[in-house]
Amino acid sequence: GNSVTQMEGPVTLSEEAFLTINCTYTATGYPSLFWYVQYPGEGLQLLLKATKADDKGSNKGFEATYRKETTSFHLEKGSVQVSDSAVYFCALSLNTGRRALTFGSGTRLQVQP
Amino acid sequence: DAGVIQSPRHEVTEMGQEVTLRCKLISGHNSLFWYRQTMMRGLELLIYFNNNVPIDDSGMPEDRFSAKMPNASFSTLKIQPSEPRDSAVYFCASSPLGGNTIYFGEGSWLTVV
Repeated sequence: GNSVTQMEGPVTLSEEAFLTINCTYTATGYPSLFWYVQYPGEGLQLLLKATKADDKGSNKGFEATYRKETTSFHLEKGSVQVSDSAVYFCALSLNTGRRALTFGSGTRLQVQP
Repeated sequence: DAGVIQSPRHEVTEMGQEVTLRCKLISGHNSLFWYRQTMMRGLELLIYFNNNVPIDDSGMPEDRFSAKMPNASFSTLKIQPSEPRDSAVYFCASSPLGGNTIYFGEGSWLTVV
C-alpha cells in the first residue's frame, strides 16, 4: 500500500537555524509529493509540491526535492523564523487512480527567538 | 476566490445527538474529500467523491457516519448518534477533477461530551 513516514517531533530550533524534516514514502504507483503546513488552530495549507523525480518544490524559503532513488522528499529551510512554528505534513497522491492524499503523522516545529 | 468553506467551525454536543458538518467546495472543483484529524491517529481519509459519486468510503468508521453530495458544490458529513470518541477536527477538501493539488477548509472542531 501507500504510506508516508516522517521524523518524530517536536523539532526545536533557534531562530535563523537550518531546518531539515525527513520524509520517506512507499507507493504502489507513481506519486506526486507534497508538504502541507498547519498553524495552530488552522487548517492545512499547501506549502510546496513536486510531481516527478528530481523536481524541486519551493515556497517561502522552504525547499524539497523529489528523490526517487531514495524514495524521499525531505523539507529544508536555510534560516527559520519564529513564524515558521507549526506542524508540517508530508503527503503523497498517486498520479493515476486513487488521488486522495496519504499523509505522514506530522512533525511539530518550534522556533525559539 | 473563496476557499473551501466549512461550518460549523466549532461544535460541542452531547453523546447521542446527531451532528451535521457542512462543506462548500471551491467553485469549479469536482473532487471532494472528508478527513478526520486526531492526536492518536493523525489525518485519516474518511471518504472522497468525484463528480458527486463516492469513490472510496473505506475510511468511514462505521454506520453511524454518512456523507452526501446533494449537488456539485456542497457536501454534508453526518454522525448519528455521536459518541465521545468522535471528537476530532473534521476537514473538508476539494480539488479539480484529475488535478493533483487538494485544498483544505479551516476544519470543524467537534467535541462530543
